[in-house]
Amino acid sequence: AAGVIQSPRHLIKEKRETATLKCYPIPRHDTVYWYQQGPGQDPQFLISFYEKMQSDKGSIPDRFSAQQFSDYHSELNMSSLELGDSALYFCASSPTSSASTDTQYFGPGTRLTVL
Amino acid sequence: AQKITQTQPGMFVQEKEAVTLDCTYDTSDQSYGLFWYKQPSSGEMIFLIYQGSYDEQNATEGRYTLNFQKARKSANLVISASQLGDSAMYFCAMREGPLSGGYNKLIFGAGTRLAVHP
Repeated sequence: AAGVIQSPRHLIKEKRETATLKCYPIPRHDTVYWYQQGPGQDPQFLISFYEKMQSDKGSIPDRFSAQQFSDYHSELNMSSLELGDSALYFCASSPTSSASTDTQYFGPGTRLTVL
Repeated sequence: AQKITQTQPGMFVQEKEAVTLDCTYDTSDQSYGLFWYKQPSSGEMIFLIYQGSYDEQNATEGRYTLNFQKARKSANLVISASQLGDSAMYFCAMREGPLSGGYNKLIFGAGTRLAVHP
């Protein structure tokens, strides 16, 4: 079965640089979520999109922005990178945004290291 | 505020034995979902099992059982016949219902690291 695809899998950036993370959801999943997992921590919700519109927002810094495109893939743009942005960034997808029953399936993650 | 509590930072179990990972939650919603995810050392987040708040029967998926006790707000994961490949971090998570406002996001517990010994 098709899974969530994330690219790149690993990314190394310098402080103050920008980074773009990409996510391709499972086919026919119209909702995408982004999570950030710092070292030794649980994942923290950043932002989600349903049918190309932002549906929910968590603790996402103003330096970060995201969008969902017409083909349902999503991109997380991160600017003015800081050392504290080093983390594992997950994208997850689900078939719909409104049912509490829908399972979110996670991609393999992008490991971002900021030097 | 919605919250997930996993009180066991680490657990170990002998191969082929059963183990229970604890999870309690707090929510004022009537409709919510409870999930368990496995995170091996490689980092990916693997969905294991789901329980809906209106489901009266415990969810089961192969060797995984979610022991749902709604009145106690408990959603423990039971892994039967442990295997070496079960060694990983396990996260309990809750998807909030619409009354909580943020009805999309998952809230995770701190996780329990399980070590299976031969």
